[in-house]
This record gives sequence, structure tokens and C-alpha cells, in this order.
Amino acid sequence: GEDVEQSLFLSVREGDSSVINCTYTDSSSTYLYWYKQEPGAGLQLLTYIFSNMDMKQDQRLTVLLNKKDKHLSLRIADTQTGDSAIYFCAPADGGATNKLIFGTGTLLAVQP
Amino acid sequence: GAVVSQHPSWVICKSGTSVKIECRSLDFQATTMFWYRQFPKQSLMLMATSNEGSKATYEQGVEKDKFLINHASLTLSTLTVTSAHPEDSSFYICSARDFTGMHEQFFGPGTRLTVL
Repeated sequence: GEDVEQSLFLSVREGDSSVINCTYTDSSSTYLYWYKQEPGAGLQLLTYIFSNMDMKQDQRLTVLLNKKDKHLSLRIADTQTGDSAIYFCAPADGGATNKLIFGTGTLLAVQP
Repeated sequence: GAVVSQHPSWVICKSGTSVKIECRSLDFQATTMFWYRQFPKQSLMLMATSNEGSKATYEQGVEKDKFLINHASLTLSTLTVTSAHPEDSSFYICSARDFTGMHEQFFGPGTRLTVL
């Protein structure tokens, strides 16, 4: 099955850019999502990219997709303390039900 | 739009009892709902996929007789943890996708289950 890996922890200073990386194994993934989870809460969809795109920008968020290397990244510009959370990469499996396979999650800590 | 609710938000029960968790799509009709489980400081693991009016499809390793899923209407799915034990304590999260075939899943806020 799909294996999705992320680095566990990232610490940045407020105002800096954050880059969260993700590698996956299933090349048939059609949509690849980024979710944010704050402590004790559900998941908030941040953005997604379709597999035929290399880049997508949405305000402070930029997603880069390298299909050849099966590498996905999320860049957050001008990181704020409110961005502190766990970020999950979740490629869809490309099947009929579009199941999500979640990565291990990256804890982003933003220092004031 | 696209709001998913869960009830209860947290529950504490005694070992051996059964607990029902509800997942509702509030402003759209969800033909497909998903149930996930999340242990502390870990990722989400998909437990099962349920389609309205049909039996749920369980992921490998998930006991269907222990985790009963019912998706009786386009806005409601329920997960019943039967004969709960302390190892079933976890954060259970549902998500829903609408019938128009849009690819996005909308997640509920989660239910914290603690089994004593």
C-alpha cells in the first residue's frame, strides 16, 4: 500500500517561510492534499494539487509537486504563530473512492 | 458550507459497554463517509468507507463486528464501538464527500473516546 513520509518537527521564527516536505510511493495519486490539525481538533483542508500540476499558489501557501521523485512540499510564507499546528500530507489513492492516505504529520512550531 | 459535525465530542465509558458516535453532514448530502482513528501524536488511519444504503468497506485489520458502521441516510453515518476495551480509547474522526462527486473530503471535529 501507499507509504507517506514527513519529517516530524519543524521550528521557524515568526515572519520566516516554512517548508514542509512529504514523500509518497503511489504514483497513481490523482489529488494530493495538505491538511492542518490544531490540538484536540479535526482537520482543516488547506489546499490541494492535481497530479498534472507542478505548482499551485494560494495566498501564503505554495504547493510544489515533483511527480518523478514523488515529492510534495508546502511552503507557508510569512509564518505566523497561529500557523503552529500539525500538518498532514494526504495523497488520494487514485481509486474509485479516492481514499486518503495520511502522512506521519509534521509539527510546526512558530517562535515569536 | 460543507460542514460536518460529530456527536459526542468526547465520551468516557466503562469497559464492556458499547458507544455510538454520530457523523452528520449539515449542509450537503454525503454519499460517501469515511471513519478514521487517530492515536496520540500519530497520524490518521482509515478504518472504513461507508456508502449510503450499502455495507461499509473495512480496511485490513479492522474488525467489522467490533466497529459497526451504519450509513442509513445521505446526511448521517454512525460508528458503534461494541464491547469497548481500554485499547479502543482513541480519537475518532469522520469525513464526508458530497454526492456531486467533488473530490474533497470534509472532516468532522472528532470524538475523543476514553474506555476505563
